[in-house]
Amino acid sequence: DTGVSQDPRHKITKRGQNVTFRCDPISEHNRLYWYRQTLGQGPEFLTYFQNEAQLEKSRLLSDRFSAERPKGSFSTLEIQRTEQGDSAMYLCASTPGLAGALGTGELFFGEGSRLTVL
Amino acid sequence: GENVEQHPSTLSVQEGDSAVIKCTYSDSASNYFPWYKQELGKGPQLIIDIRSNVGEKKDQRIAVTLNKTAKHFSLHITETQPEDSAVYFCAAGTNTGNQFYFGTGTSLTVIP
Repeated sequence: DTGVSQDPRHKITKRGQNVTFRCDPISEHNRLYWYRQTLGQGPEFLTYFQNEAQLEKSRLLSDRFSAERPKGSFSTLEIQRTEQGDSAMYLCASTPGLAGALGTGELFFGEGSRLTVL
Repeated sequence: GENVEQHPSTLSVQEGDSAVIKCTYSDSASNYFPWYKQELGKGPQLIIDIRSNVGEKKDQRIAVTLNKTAKHFSLHITETQPEDSAVYFCAAGTNTGNQFYFGTGTSLTVIP
């Protein structure tokens, strides 16, 4: 399968614990995005990388959240001291370049990592 | 920032009928409008998109229209089939696509 891969698919944790999600984008896609999706809502932008550089972060990304893409390939999203409000689906997407009007357009999403904080 | 509103939140149609989902956006700088389909347990998948230099685009049973003046765009699905049942999201973005702003989704049910 050459699509975007996310791991784990499901994570249940207790409040206060740290969790880490991994995303493997489609190979040769140099842009990688993290989105958060809560029940009944659309995906909300968290951050994106161009190669290994983190170029933009949403104000939704509090200081308990950190994302990395150390070699410009896979990425990790870590949430420290989880809170119940962090319960959501965390979606990763990748594109080969610009994704907007000047680019290819399409975000290729993974199937997401669902986090439940008890 | 951009605000995308989507209506209706739920939609049920009989198989073979048409379905229409409408979205409005607030930022006049937005010039790229994709539609994504999300099936249960899966990530969103692009089904059609439109750029602001075009007023309408069609791909088989799916069409999207854009009214830049009124800042609204719509998804039209004709001859609906049960496999069209899913959640549909509209989104708005700009030239660079650094961020996409998604609507809240429409849960479409096609009744056989």
